[in-house]
Amino acid sequence: GAGVSQSPSNKVTEKGKDVELRCDPISGHTALYWYRQSLGQGLEFLIYFQGNSAPDKSGLPSDRFSAERTGGSVSTLTIQRTQQEDSAVYLCASSSGTEFTYEQYFGPGTRLTVT
Amino acid sequence: SQQGEEDPQALSIQEGENATMNCSYKTSINNLQWYRQNSGRGLVHLILIRSNEREKHSGRLRVTLDTSKKSSSLLITASRAADTASYFCATDKFQGAQKLVFGQGTRLTINP
Repeated sequence: GAGVSQSPSNKVTEKGKDVELRCDPISGHTALYWYRQSLGQGLEFLIYFQGNSAPDKSGLPSDRFSAERTGGSVSTLTIQRTQQEDSAVYLCASSSGTEFTYEQYFGPGTRLTVT
Repeated sequence: SQQGEEDPQALSIQEGENATMNCSYKTSINNLQWYRQNSGRGLVHLILIRSNEREKHSGRLRVTLDTSKKSSSLLITASRAADTASYFCATDKFQGAQKLVFGQGTRLTINP
């Protein structure tokens, strides 16, 4: 079956512009995650959606970052007034969310470059 | 602070040799997972070991978990050039949500 997809694969934007990154999780997966990975670093948790529960936004680095998940499926991560330090690969993952099932399936990521 | 930290940060070995990577963490966990990442893009899940397990095998992979030392190791036997990648351990917090905290990763290079 289809895996997690993300678009665009690459995005170059000017400082101060807003960007939207899209994630299509695996069909039927109730949990969706966004991570950020700077060059040569590990993954930084950003936000987590689980079913109809309120999202866990504890990892968002500033109020310029927001995310939504419509209809329990597709998610969009929005970064307003981008800064150069926002340059990174943004990874989305989904999981089935059932108890004791914690394996996450990752998309290929969106490489964001802020000039 | 990082929950999981891998050691070494980089490892270079000859094809056919075994590769061992270690991970340490700080708080009690439900389970620990290992992921592989090629070329800085999407991660691929390799293996999950639960807190009540001590060892798990999957093909050429062997994972151990020592909860008393809060550490895990990933062994790749008979390494191949295709194993060249970054390897990350990820932990969730006991009685926490399904959030994973990733370490900084080990960059493994297999030389032909």
